[in-house]
Amino acid sequence: AQRVTQPEKLLSVFKGAPVELKCNYSYSGSPELFWYVQYSRQRLQLLLRHISRESIKGFTADLNKGETSFHLKKPFAQEEDSAMYYCAHKPPGYSGGGADGLTFGKGTHLIIQP
Amino acid sequence: SQTIHQWPATLVQPVGSPLSLECTVEGTSNPNLYWYRQAAGRGLQLLFYSVGIGQISSEVPQNLSASRPQDRQFILSSKKLLLSDSGFYLCAWSVQRNGYTFGSGTRLTVV
Repeated sequence: AQRVTQPEKLLSVFKGAPVELKCNYSYSGSPELFWYVQYSRQRLQLLLRHISRESIKGFTADLNKGETSFHLKKPFAQEEDSAMYYCAHKPPGYSGGGADGLTFGKGTHLIIQP
Repeated sequence: SQTIHQWPATLVQPVGSPLSLECTVEGTSNPNLYWYRQAAGRGLQLLFYSVGIGQISSEVPQNLSASRPQDRQFILSSKKLLLSDSGFYLCAWSVQRNGYTFGSGTRLTVV
């Protein structure tokens, strides 16, 4: 079964320090991977996807097929980055009519200390 | 604009009572719709998905059911709630590869 593993339940870093949220996946094909974020009292929302190769709010994530990882990184953490972060995986071969429900990791609670 | 509505925001129900959570989307047609549950320490779990009216697929066996009576309406139900049904329920929709949009969620506590 496809799995997404986020080994850290809680990660606490000081403001200005680098942040890395780990994510490993078990699928051996060409996956689609995402990071979702849920700020306090807000809905879960898409942060970034590996296809776009984008940087959102200073965060980047690189897909490493050799290590089957998709770690989320930010060089300098800010207090407003405190939130729950979920790594998610989507099966390849989606054609618009089949199952494409995301598989989520258990999430990492990121706390940025002042 | 595309929006998703989910209600109620919080719900406290006794064991054995029925459940109905509703989710509606606006600004899109023929979306794929999903119900997820977020239980403490277990992350987000896909419960049901639907690719069209009346088409429901279940990912895990459970005490819940889902229905899609209209294109943009997705309902999560139970005839008799169990304590283990407590959790945070999220509705989401997607259209092709444009990512997922989540509702604001319903916090269900079964007592």
